[in-house]
Amino acid sequence: EPEVTQTPSHQVTQMGQEVILRCVPISNHLYFYWYRQILGQKVEFLVSFYNNEISEKSEIFDDQFSVERPDGSNFTLKIRSTKLEDSAMYFCASSGLNTEAFFGQGTRLTVV
Amino acid sequence: AQSVTQPDIHITVSEGASLELRCNYSYGATPYLFWYVQSPGQGLQLLLKYFSGDTLVQGIKGFEAEFKRSQSSFNLRKPSVHWSDAAEYFCAVALPIYNQGGKLIFGQGTELSVKP
Repeated sequence: EPEVTQTPSHQVTQMGQEVILRCVPISNHLYFYWYRQILGQKVEFLVSFYNNEISEKSEIFDDQFSVERPDGSNFTLKIRSTKLEDSAMYFCASSGLNTEAFFGQGTRLTVV
Repeated sequence: AQSVTQPDIHITVSEGASLELRCNYSYGATPYLFWYVQSPGQGLQLLLKYFSGDTLVQGIKGFEAEFKRSQSSFNLRKPSVHWSDAAEYFCAVALPIYNQGGKLIFGQGTELSVKP
């Protein structure tokens, strides 16, 4: 069964460092998303991406965040200068036309 | 603003007992409705969804949910809980543009514990 793959599963980074979270969506999907879940809190939408551009972003997704689909398979989330409050589980998801979103296993980001 | 409320943060049930997890939403129109489950250290797995039609929907693992428009609710049920059902359950909603890349809005989650 096709699945969304995220790497790494856990990333520890120092405050102020740049971090790139990677995702391989399901191959024939068109829409790509990033969500995050701060420990003990709900899952929050960050950004959606379609046709090589951002289609929607939340207020959380400020200038320190960026997304990219550098090739035909990967979808990345970059945090330019990490802050302690960026520590969270980050979920990538993808969907096709008229299908539900499939989520990856998540990347746990710890900023120290 | 759109919102999803799961009033119960933590529920404990005995194995074999029935389960109902509550979900209420606030939306301008009838949204698409979902229940996801998250086991510890795992990603989000879709249990079931409601787009339209029959208001009682069946999902995986023996779960079902009923959409009640008048109550803006989409409660999740299972007649007999198994120990493996212990997990966190999230209700989520989306606008119909969901099918063209719309976002999901999640509730706070309900943690389910199952006692022997």
